[in-house]
Amino acid sequence: AQKVTQAQTEISVVEKEDVTLDCVYETRDTTYYLFWYKQPPSGELVFLIRRNSFDEQNEISGRYSWNFQKSTSSFNFTITASQVVDSAVYFCALSGNTGNQFYFGTGTSLTVIP
Amino acid sequence: GAGVSQSPRYKVAKRGQDVALRCDPISGHVSLFWYQQALGQGPEFLTYFQNEAQLDKSGLPSDRFFAERPEGSVSTLKIQRTQQEDSAVYLCASSYTGSPDTQYFGPGTRLTVL
Repeated sequence: AQKVTQAQTEISVVEKEDVTLDCVYETRDTTYYLFWYKQPPSGELVFLIRRNSFDEQNEISGRYSWNFQKSTSSFNFTITASQVVDSAVYFCALSGNTGNQFYFGTGTSLTVIP
Repeated sequence: GAGVSQSPRYKVAKRGQDVALRCDPISGHVSLFWYQQALGQGPEFLTYFQNEAQLDKSGLPSDRFFAERPEGSVSTLKIQRTQQEDSAVYLCASSYTGSPDTQYFGPGTRLTVL
């Protein structure tokens, strides 16, 4: 079975604080892919990152960074120096190697307070 | 280039009415996916097309839901005899190949059944 858990339902931070969004996944596939999407109030899911299970290197893109740890089945997302524009719902998703669908977590709603 | 577009953005239906939701994928994308997103939840898979072939419809909640993509481009999700529990945002996504390629999402259609 494929499952993604985002235990943090809502997070509020003050602008310029760092914030980490947690994602824990379950899969029996040896090859799988993990994704993060941002959903602003407009509703469209915006792609942020894709990682495959063979590549555990952490990635940094501007203020965004991702920490992938297979040992703990986690793929956490950190925003450094948060900004008001970062306010959105963030979804972690999992795709197995043979399936056609993405499995999404329930999302974490981030509010950045000016 | 143009992203995934969906129409209408909002649809209000009386219980028992039929509705049709349209999705225009990114040009050249082979695969098309439909998801249902209930309030406060992550998207849940409904169905998947590769070109005009519907390869997976395991997520369709009942036989009132029907999807088609007759020419391998535009897709329509039809819901017959709508019920209140059908109220949700319906998201369409496309990808260049199939899963686990990155899926790009449209803005969604918010369906409200009264």
